[in-house]
Amino acid sequence: AQSVTQLDSQVPVFEEAPVELRCNYSSSVSVYLFWYVQYPNQGLQLLLKYLSGSTLVESINGFEAEFNKSQTSFHLRKPSVHISDTAEYFCAVSEQGGSYIPTFGRGTSLIVHP
Amino acid sequence: DTGVSQDPRHKITKRGQNVTFRCDPISEHNRLYWYRQTLGQGPEFLTYFQNEAQLEKSRLLSDRFSAERPKGSFSTLEIQRTEQGDSAMYLCASSPEVGTEAFFGQGTRLTVV
Repeated sequence: AQSVTQLDSQVPVFEEAPVELRCNYSSSVSVYLFWYVQYPNQGLQLLLKYLSGSTLVESINGFEAEFNKSQTSFHLRKPSVHISDTAEYFCAVSEQGGSYIPTFGRGTSLIVHP
Repeated sequence: DTGVSQDPRHKITKRGQNVTFRCDPISEHNRLYWYRQTLGQGPEFLTYFQNEAQLEKSRLLSDRFSAERPKGSFSTLEIQRTEQGDSAMYLCASSPEVGTEAFFGQGTRLTVV
């Protein structure tokens, strides 16, 4: 069965600094990978996804993630964060060829300080 | 399209009471998921439907929990004889097909007192 590990429960960073949120997964088959963001008092929103093709995927608001099969990782990065990026970020994986049910990590709280 | 809708947004109930939550997925989405999220944790899978068929249930889903999706449209999640440990955010999500992302509703926050 698949599993997701988000090593950092909280990442504090100053505005305009770069940030990396780490995600590692475990699976015996090929996977689809997702990053979701949850702003305070809101539902989960898809940030970006890897289904196939280029291993580097980007979001419309400057985030990017790279699928690394050998490292079983899908780390999320942004070169310069804004106060408005403060939120909870969840990595998710679903296994191909099975039930495709997304399994989520415990989340990383990104706190951007002015 | 208005997205995934959940009702109610908040529910406070006394221990031992039954509660029912409703989820309206995005129209024409075949797959519907229920998750539970507690403070400081990610969403935990409870069950999912492919159209009207309930295809998988998590071991988290005790006998007190039941879910339905009549006619493959909206879904309900019922919790019987609620316990304090049932207090959580209950999330519903839908997706159009396998291998695509799930779209989440805003959740129903249950507090059992």
